Amino acid sequence: DAKTTQPTSMDCAEGRAANLPCNHSTISGNEYVYWYRQIHSQGPQYIIHGLKNNETNEMASLIITEDRKSSTLILPHATLRDTAVYYCIVRVAGSTYTGTASKLTFGTGTRLQVTL
Amino acid sequence: DAGITQSPRHKVTETGTPVTLRCHQTENHRYMYWYRQDPGHGLRLIHYSYGVKDTDKGEVSDGYSVSRSKTEDFLLTLESATSSQTSVYFCAIHGGMNTEAFFGQGTRLTVV
Repeated sequence: DAKTTQPTSMDCAEGRAANLPCNHSTISGNEYVYWYRQIHSQGPQYIIHGLKNNETNEMASLIITEDRKSSTLILPHATLRDTAVYYCIVRVAGSTYTGTASKLTFGTGTRLQVTL
Repeated sequence: DAGITQSPRHKVTETGTPVTLRCHQTENHRYMYWYRQDPGHGLRLIHYSYGVKDTDKGEVSDGYSVSRSKTEDFLLTLESATSSQTSVYFCAIHGGMNTEAFFGQGTRLTVV
């Protein structure tokens, strides 16, 4: 899997958009970009994923650059409840895998603090 | 919510004793994972499974073993618990590489 690089921490004012960057300069053409977040000590929660095109769901938007070497997760109107650690990971596309290809590893993520 | 349950949720044990944590799923997902998380750290992969009886080591597997004799259960065993294994342990399940992973609520293990 391609390695990702994220800032250690970020701040955002409540009500403003939170833009969380992720660098994945060694990404392969068949690798998806996934975002998860972990609120306090809960289990991580899936947010969104994409391959090439920008994606949007009820939680967030994912913007992937044309060269796919970086992406940005956008929380359009951050609230205090969005304070969490956000993880960006890349995963090879496909339906089934065996062995080391099925590993799912996380980096250290970005700690987003939303303030009043 | 995905059907994934970790047990126990909390455990205190003494150094040198064996401990088994259980991850149970009702989603029939093929892939299962055990992670540990320590203060100030991200999730570190201990072991993972890509099918019944198919398991492999993650990045921090020393001192841990796993077993998966049926699809729904993935057991993590600390053969002889040490204080360095005090941590929060998370289990995750994954149905396929183009889908999202779901995580359990975590097990807080304290080794005294």
